[in-house]
Amino acid sequence: QVQLQESGPGLVKPSQTLSLTCTVSGGSISSTSYYWSWIRQPAGKGLEWIGRIYISGSTNYNPSLKSRVTISVDASKKQFSLNLSSVTAADTAVYYCAREGLTTGNFDYWGQGTLVTVSS
Amino acid sequence: QSALTQPRSVSGSPGQSVTISCTGTSSDVGAYNYVSWYQQHPGKAPKLMLYDVTKRPSGVPDRFSGSKSGNTASLTISGLQAEDEADYYCCSYAGSYTLIFGGGTKVTVL
Repeated sequence: QVQLQESGPGLVKPSQTLSLTCTVSGGSISSTSYYWSWIRQPAGKGLEWIGRIYISGSTNYNPSLKSRVTISVDASKKQFSLNLSSVTAADTAVYYCAREGLTTGNFDYWGQGTLVTVSS
Repeated sequence: QSALTQPRSVSGSPGQSVTISCTGTSSDVGAYNYVSWYQQHPGKAPKLMLYDVTKRPSGVPDRFSGSKSGNTASLTISGLQAEDEADYYCCSYAGSYTLIFGGGTKVTVL
């Protein structure tokens, strides 16, 4: 059974960089059959796709966040990571990592989510 | 990119059918057969219910079905059950390797 677990600071100051890591277990992060993605959800609001990475290192990002987002992968640690720079209160949300099938938009496994609050 | 348009809420009695619409544009929903649907219970991660418009992952009851016409995709829940009460989100490929979600629909079982 594939499991994903987000980790990282729960509180980030405005203008700083939000950094999260997703650890994958029960399946291979090196599989060529999947992307590894980040999605977020502000409290009481809908889901927002942030971006994805393929094991080759190829990335795709939401155009509205592209200038501030970097997603990377470390296969040796079975982890992929999210960096979101210059954060504001609008970036406060639950952040999920998920496995996405090559049939795009097919998120079949999700982490439990981690709340990140942007506040001074 | 603007979020796909979903009704804020729909409701039905046990055993009835409800349909949730997801309206996009000719650049996303209308252009590709890559629409997926997610169920989310409070405090939980979303769960994949349908993908590629009509396909059900293993373990998802066949009470859940999907369709698409033009720029609008739909999720139908037949034989509504109490455990179907949740938020539902659609998601579509939007070209250039990007994705867009809908705003979400709360399904209430009366």
